[in-house]
Amino acid sequence: GDSVTQMEGPVTLSEEAFLTINCTYTATGYPSLFWYVQYPGEGLQLLLKATKADDKGSNKGFEATYRKETTSFHLEKGSVQVSDSAVYFCALSDRNNNDMRFGAGTRLTVKP
Amino acid sequence: EPEVTQTPSHQVTQMGQEVILRCVPISNHLYFYWYRQILGQKVEFLVSFYNNEISEKSEIFDDQFSVERPDGSNFTLKIRSTKLEDSAMYFCASRETGPSLSGYTFGSGTRLTVV
Repeated sequence: GDSVTQMEGPVTLSEEAFLTINCTYTATGYPSLFWYVQYPGEGLQLLLKATKADDKGSNKGFEATYRKETTSFHLEKGSVQVSDSAVYFCALSDRNNNDMRFGAGTRLTVKP
Repeated sequence: EPEVTQTPSHQVTQMGQEVILRCVPISNHLYFYWYRQILGQKVEFLVSFYNNEISEKSEIFDDQFSVERPDGSNFTLKIRSTKLEDSAMYFCASRETGPSLSGYTFGSGTRLTVV
């Protein structure tokens, strides 16, 4: 079935460092792709999304581009902050937004 | 902003007991989901629910699990006879009908601890 594979952490960065969290997907059709974030003690929040090839999702300084040729949706941020410390989940769903499936999650810790 | 509400936030239960986890989805959403996250592990799909019936379930969702929409607002997950390995964070989610650009809206989760 459809699935996502993401870089496992933990990832530890200093404030203002550049962040990349890799995510690749396997799908039979044309999935929609998402990044969710889970702050300590909280639920899952949608961070950004992209629904077709070459779309770029962006929010709060984070970006990810839907790359069909490499089946990837890597999450990037140019300058991380301590407040970005969280677990980040890559996810996909089918075109009708069914069957949301998550990657294993990547824990990011940003140190001052 | 509309949100999905889950209660309780934390429940401790003895092995073999029944628990009911409660969720209030966003009012105009018609698709509902339960996911589970064992501590430090990935978020796993349990079940999806639409039009008052289960539309899909995973292999995790065996006979000890059931879901119900007892009234117009609540969506519950019942675990009939809890086991130690049921200890996890359980997330409820809902979404609008048809393709939606907003993805799923998740609740804050119920942490279930089976002792």
